[in-house]
Amino acid sequence: KQEVTQIPAALSVPEGENLVLNCSFTDSAIYNLQWFRQDPGKGLTSLLLIQSSQREQTSGRLNASLDKSSGRSTLYIAASQPGDSATYLCAVRLTSGGYQKVTFGIGTKLQVIP
Amino acid sequence: GAGVSQSPSNKVTEKGKDVELRCDPISGHTALYWYRQSLGQGLEFLIYFQGNSAPDKSGLPSDRFSAERTGGSVSTLTIQRTQQEDSAVYLCASSLAFSLSYEQYFGPGTRLTVT
Repeated sequence: KQEVTQIPAALSVPEGENLVLNCSFTDSAIYNLQWFRQDPGKGLTSLLLIQSSQREQTSGRLNASLDKSSGRSTLYIAASQPGDSATYLCAVRLTSGGYQKVTFGIGTKLQVIP
Repeated sequence: GAGVSQSPSNKVTEKGKDVELRCDPISGHTALYWYRQSLGQGLEFLIYFQGNSAPDKSGLPSDRFSAERTGGSVSTLTIQRTQQEDSAVYLCASSLAFSLSYEQYFGPGTRLTVT
């Protein structure tokens, strides 16, 4: 059974700092990995989607890397801003028994202090 | 364009009652997914639809849970004889097609509280 772990569970940084969020998964036979942010009381917003054949994706101040063989992904946030405060979730997708499966981590709660 | 919408946004119900949660996917999206997010837990994948068909129901927590989708659009998740452990946020997502390559777009969720 696929398990997804996110470290740290919570992180508090001063504004302007660069930071790294970690995601690890136990079954490396994933199809892709997606990073999301979730604001309190709201749904998920997709940030970056990395296909299994890719090693990284970039969008603005965000960069996500994927090392499929070691079961790890990192989300790098440059020059953090208070508006980045949210919970960040990673999710891996694969097929199992011919069916699509999606497994999420519990998330990293980020607070950027002005 | 309009995103994924869910209704109601909040639902409080008494233990033992049935509830229906609704999801309107993005227009043209053929794949639809239901998740449950309990307090302090990660998102739990419940079921997905490819068109109107749900090929794998094994993620549903119990036989009190059922889901249907008609016309390749709106989906409803029904919970019969609700229990307190059913209290959670139920999230719906859609993607352009069933293929794993496509991103999922999430709705705001329905917060269900069973008293």
